Amino acid sequence: GQQLNQSPQSMFIQEGEDVSMNCTSSSIFNTWLWYKQDPGEGPVLLIALYKAGELTSNGRLTAQFGITRKDSFLNISASIPSDVGIYFCTGQIGAGGTSYGKLTFGQGTILTVHP
Amino acid sequence: DVKVTQSSRYLVKRTGEKVFLECVQDMDHENMFWYRQDPGLGLRLIYFSYDVKMKEKGDIPEGYSVSREKKERFSLILESASTNQTSMYLCATLGGTPGQGGKAGNQPQHFGDGTRLSIL
Repeated sequence: GQQLNQSPQSMFIQEGEDVSMNCTSSSIFNTWLWYKQDPGEGPVLLIALYKAGELTSNGRLTAQFGITRKDSFLNISASIPSDVGIYFCTGQIGAGGTSYGKLTFGQGTILTVHP
Repeated sequence: DVKVTQSSRYLVKRTGEKVFLECVQDMDHENMFWYRQDPGLGLRLIYFSYDVKMKEKGDIPEGYSVSREKKERFSLILESASTNQTSMYLCATLGGTPGQGGKAGNQPQHFGDGTRLSIL
């Protein structure tokens, strides 16, 4: 099946620092999604990217859909303690038939923010 | 807001038991998914369903089955639980239909809060 490589696997940073994480794929995706999972909860969507080259912001978060459609990055600026959690990149083909809606997940980046 | 409810947050069962995990959604979404989440592996798709009584195998269906008798409910079944099925299980739903282009055809999934299942 398709593989997504997400890095780094974990990050320990000081409050106020910027964070960057990325995903690369061996396959092309039509959609890239970034989710965050707080402890004890399900993943929640942060940013959705639908077009190659697209750069989208959501508050302190910025994500880009790579031109080749095989990669994406997520940046968090001026981190705060509530940014802690696991961040997942996911790729979605979004085609018809049995591929519809199927997500391929990266391994996750565990973010720890020290006050 | 989409609400995806998983029946149990924590569950402890014994090896060999038949285990049912339930997921209910309130948004009339056609598509529902079951994942398991393990450290360092991300989320892996077990089964999914496009409509009532329809099911498709995901990437790791072995040892599991599913049931979708009503649109709002998608059940994951461990036929004979084993210790390697100890994991966090996440249910997700998705609106829209295959074949639509653009954002309508690429809506993000909405997740429940998960069931942490321990098999002893």
